[in-house]
Amino acid sequence: AQKVTQAQTEISVVEKEDVTLDCVYETRDTTYYLFWYKQPPSGELVFLIRRNSFDEQNEISGRYSWNFQKSTSSFNFTITASQVVDSAVYFCALSEAWSNDYKLSFGAGTTVTVRA
Amino acid sequence: DVKVTQSSRYLVKRTGEKVFLECVQDMDHENMFWYRQDPGLGLRLIYFSYDVKMKEKGDIPEGYSVSREKKERFSLILESASTNQTSMYLCASSLDVGAGGAHNEQFFGPGTRLTVL
Repeated sequence: AQKVTQAQTEISVVEKEDVTLDCVYETRDTTYYLFWYKQPPSGELVFLIRRNSFDEQNEISGRYSWNFQKSTSSFNFTITASQVVDSAVYFCALSEAWSNDYKLSFGAGTTVTVRA
Repeated sequence: DVKVTQSSRYLVKRTGEKVFLECVQDMDHENMFWYRQDPGLGLRLIYFSYDVKMKEKGDIPEGYSVSREKKERFSLILESASTNQTSMYLCASSLDVGAGGAHNEQFFGPGTRLTVL
């Protein structure tokens, strides 16, 4: 069963629009970690954020913000005032503490295209 | 900065060939991982290693093997390449579990796009 679902395959926006990427996860563990990665056209995944299951505070980093809601098992990512450089594939991932094997379960990814 | 390097960006091989994909990290990370990335499937874990000479199967180990003789190097081996192994292969590394059992972020290499003809 898919542990991480990113329902949006592709999103296309015009520069300066906001874009929200959805991530829904599934786990029976009470302790887990959620991640977002960005994969620009160059191919190398870039770490954006890690959040543990006990910290439900939303986080903002520049134009990026994350909304973690345990009640709906979601960890959504918003890019405010998007720019062309934000064009990339974005992955949400889950790591479950019970397994203690450091594995990441990735979603299928959402391709974001920002048009000038 | 953490650097994870992979031996080739692009590789073309023939069915039945033995293929070696090499990955080196320079930050003394204990854990190393091999993933393959396919459209619509995201990244899927093939094998990982949490110490020298240690290896664990991931979600899709069939048709692959790995080797970790040195801490900084983790090799993925396709014993007899097949066309369904055409994919993007990504290597990653991470520090061991941190304080409080925090799972640390993984750092990725640029990937190797393998085509098997």
